[in-house]
Amino acid sequence: ETGVTQSPTHLIKTRGQQVTLRCSSQSGHNTVSWYQQALGQGPQFIFQYYREEENGRGNFPPRFSGLQFPNYSSELNVNALELDDSALYLCASSLVAGSSYEQYFGPGTRLTVT
Amino acid sequence: QKEVEQNSGPLSVPEGAIASLNCTYSDRGSQSFFWYRQYSGKSPELIMSIYSNGDKEDGRFTAQLNKASQYVSLLIRDSQPSDSATYLCAVAPNAGGTSYGKLTFGQGTILTVHP
Repeated sequence: ETGVTQSPTHLIKTRGQQVTLRCSSQSGHNTVSWYQQALGQGPQFIFQYYREEENGRGNFPPRFSGLQFPNYSSELNVNALELDDSALYLCASSLVAGSSYEQYFGPGTRLTVT
Repeated sequence: QKEVEQNSGPLSVPEGAIASLNCTYSDRGSQSFFWYRQYSGKSPELIMSIYSNGDKEDGRFTAQLNKASQYVSLLIRDSQPSDSATYLCAVAPNAGGTSYGKLTFGQGTILTVHP
């Protein structure tokens, strides 16, 4: 167990809807990164939050957005859901932002878009 | 060319053997390298990190890094059926820039250890 929690565990949404996923980082960690993992693929970086600001972003459209709160927890919001958004969404926390710091994953949220 | 490449396998080894998992990366400036294990239906679990050329050992696991060849590997000694999982190689870029802190993953290698 990493101490990183995510909610909900599973979610089913309809194309065009909006979804919010939540993550609580491991105690003492102030950086949260979000990844999308399609079936049979490695996780793809969406973005990272550090000190409540977006600290880096992967190749995802603006309809993917996020927030980090003063307690370092984070939300991932996806608007105008598409069928291809169906995936496992992973949150990872690290001690601080930076390439040298290990990232620990939560259990993930399985999103299905129909 | 993919940024991080792994042989997708499956790699099948007998119990007690050494499993060797390989990964190559394209960004010569990469500075941090990680191996994650992912059981079916679960999230990735960090098992090794390596930052300098050479070998790093932790129990039955040994990570090897060769930055000149842009190659990182994971050896699992005395493989057990419980080691059967997908192993993901992850690479972090140089410090600085908008991708700071981003991990780039390979597609993973499926390892099966049979009794």
